Amino acid sequence: QSALTQPASVSGSPGQSITISCTGTSSDVGHYNHVSWYQQQPGKAPKLIISDVSNRPSGVSNRFSGSKSGNTASLTISGLQAEDEADYYCGSYTISSTVVFGGGTKVTVL
Amino acid sequence: EVQLVQSGAEVKKPGESLKISCKGSGYSFTTYWIGWVRQMPGKGLEWMGIIYPGDSDTRYSPSFQGQVTISADKSISTAYLQWGSLKASDTAVYYCAKSFPMGHYDTFDVWGQGTMVTVSS
Repeated sequence: QSALTQPASVSGSPGQSITISCTGTSSDVGHYNHVSWYQQQPGKAPKLIISDVSNRPSGVSNRFSGSKSGNTASLTISGLQAEDEADYYCGSYTISSTVVFGGGTKVTVL
Repeated sequence: EVQLVQSGAEVKKPGESLKISCKGSGYSFTTYWIGWVRQMPGKGLEWMGIIYPGDSDTRYSPSFQGQVTISADKSISTAYLQWGSLKASDTAVYYCAKSFPMGHYDTFDVWGQGTMVTVSS
């Protein structure tokens, strides 16, 4: 199974909105609404920020939102802040009963 | 507090065996899947496989099937990841993570701190 496709990097200025895409296939992202997003700060374990395409766990800022269209899921960060600088990964359940992650996107706050 | 605490860093030689652990606390260990994720130096996350401690049902990524073994001892709320013969390419940080919600394993809501495994001659 191939990793989901994410842009290597995305940048934005404080206060702006950015969107990270996560492209899969009809065997994973396009087949299920089981897409999650994780934030990983340098040297730290990943943190869940979005589950099931658009659900935000308790305690996660409402500046993070998720959506999906066809085989592509998206994570939007609105009101970008310096603390949002991190790596972001998407993950999806697959028809093979496994999970596949994206390659990761480095978010830089200019 | 729900926690996963992993065993410490390991330095091994190629060909050696290794078993690392992940101890869960603060929740019903037997009713949530526990997964393992590899992160090679400077690289992304890779889903390795997952186990349901209640009955030891295990699923593996095709990329890791036959390369590692995932197991669990529900009596001590601990999951394991083991190698029979390590390679230099196994050098990575390995995370365990608890699945969410109950009965599903597509999402990880709690992660361990990671175990660094270094394989070098």
